[in-house]
Amino acid sequence: AQTVTQSQPEMSVQEAETVTLSCTYDTSESDYYLFWYKQPPSRQMILVIRQEAYKQQNATENRFSVNFQKAAKSFSLKISDSQLGDAAMYFCAYRRTSYDKVIFGPGTSLSVIP
Amino acid sequence: DVKVTQSSRYLVKRTGEKVFLECVQDMDHENMFWYRQDPGLGLRLIYFSYDVKMKEKGDIPEGYSVSREKKERFSLILESASTNQTSMYLCASSLFAGSNQPQHFGDGTRLSIL
Repeated sequence: AQTVTQSQPEMSVQEAETVTLSCTYDTSESDYYLFWYKQPPSRQMILVIRQEAYKQQNATENRFSVNFQKAAKSFSLKISDSQLGDAAMYFCAYRRTSYDKVIFGPGTSLSVIP
Repeated sequence: DVKVTQSSRYLVKRTGEKVFLECVQDMDHENMFWYRQDPGLGLRLIYFSYDVKMKEKGDIPEGYSVSREKKERFSLILESASTNQTSMYLCASSLFAGSNQPQHFGDGTRLSIL
């Protein structure tokens, strides 16, 4: 069965600094999608960034980028120039290509220090 | 813009009551999901539906049932509420399997069973 692990329950970063959130997953599939979702306090969960496993190039979305290491089954999220609004729970998620169910990690709570 | 609406943000019920949580999406998505979110456990899938009147059990279906009579609406039912069902409940929707599109989430319902 597929699993997603986030080994850092809590992280903190100084405003304007860079932080990296870790995620590893276990799968025997070769084709799948990976996602990072953000859930601000008392607010809706939203997509931050996605990666298709067949793409070697790491995805980037403005200040957010990923380091996708397929062989190592690692999918870390880097947040550059951290802002107060980045404070949230971050969930790593996995989905097989032709399947509906998404497997979520336990989440990392990120605090941003002014 | 994408919209998933959950009927209540906060709900307080008593042990033994039958509880209905409603979710509506306006994106014509095939798939709809109900998750339970607990600290340290991430999101756990209760049920999902890939078409009207179709449903599949997720990882923790015990004590819950669902109904999908119309494509846009997916209801979660707690048949006889118990205190261990106190939690945050998230509804999500997505396009058909095989799409790289992410899930879209509602604001969540924080349910307390007394």
